[in-house]
Amino acid sequence: DIQMTQSPSSLSASVGDRVTITCRASQSFFSHLNWYQQKPGKPPKLLIDAVYSLKSGVPSRFSGGMSGTDFTLTISNLQPEDFAVYYCQQSYMTPPTFGQGTKVEIK
Amino acid sequence: QVQLVQSGGGQVKPGGSLRLSCAASGFIFSDYYMSWIRQAPGKGLEWLSFISTSSAHTNYADAVKGRFTISRDDADNSLYLQMDSLRPEDTAVYYCARGGGSWFDFDYWGQGTLVTVSS
Repeated sequence: DIQMTQSPSSLSASVGDRVTITCRASQSFFSHLNWYQQKPGKPPKLLIDAVYSLKSGVPSRFSGGMSGTDFTLTISNLQPEDFAVYYCQQSYMTPPTFGQGTKVEIK
Repeated sequence: QVQLVQSGGGQVKPGGSLRLSCAASGFIFSDYYMSWIRQAPGKGLEWLSFISTSSAHTNYADAVKGRFTISRDDADNSLYLQMDSLRPEDTAVYYCARGGGSWFDFDYWGQGTLVTVSS
């Protein structure tokens, strides 16, 4: 199985900050990397697929990046509604695997 | 609009069985792979199973292989998860999810249903 390791596991930030979450894969694969946002009591929401592709309706302050087996989710100009848990997920092979999550909290 | 509405779930004793359902609407259900994913209390996301179009292929996570069975009824736009031999560690919120661009790009999710396995 491909292991996905996210860092940090949590972070505190203020409205207006720029934050970056990193996800490292245990093996190399192509651009089959997705990011999800989950708020308490709700299902995850797909934000970005194929590393860079913002889903319809997702604000442009969200962006994805990649360097080798390291993937990033960057939120620029953090807004109150962005405080949530974020998960990366590889969709390259079965079983699809998720990172352990990064909780973005209000400072 | 795309909707996945889940039903089933609840509390069951260890060794018991439950069947989860997921009713789809707003898209051509038969055109999409579907998956079940769960989340233990306070934990992360764990993919459990997928079923391909026409039910041609299924696959399971090792944690549930031989105990859970995924199925679909395209005539009824419904997805199912039959869960047998339940264990306390199966306690979680269970989600159905649609495979969007690829089999495992989960672009729409059900609302989730809690399964509690406890004596």
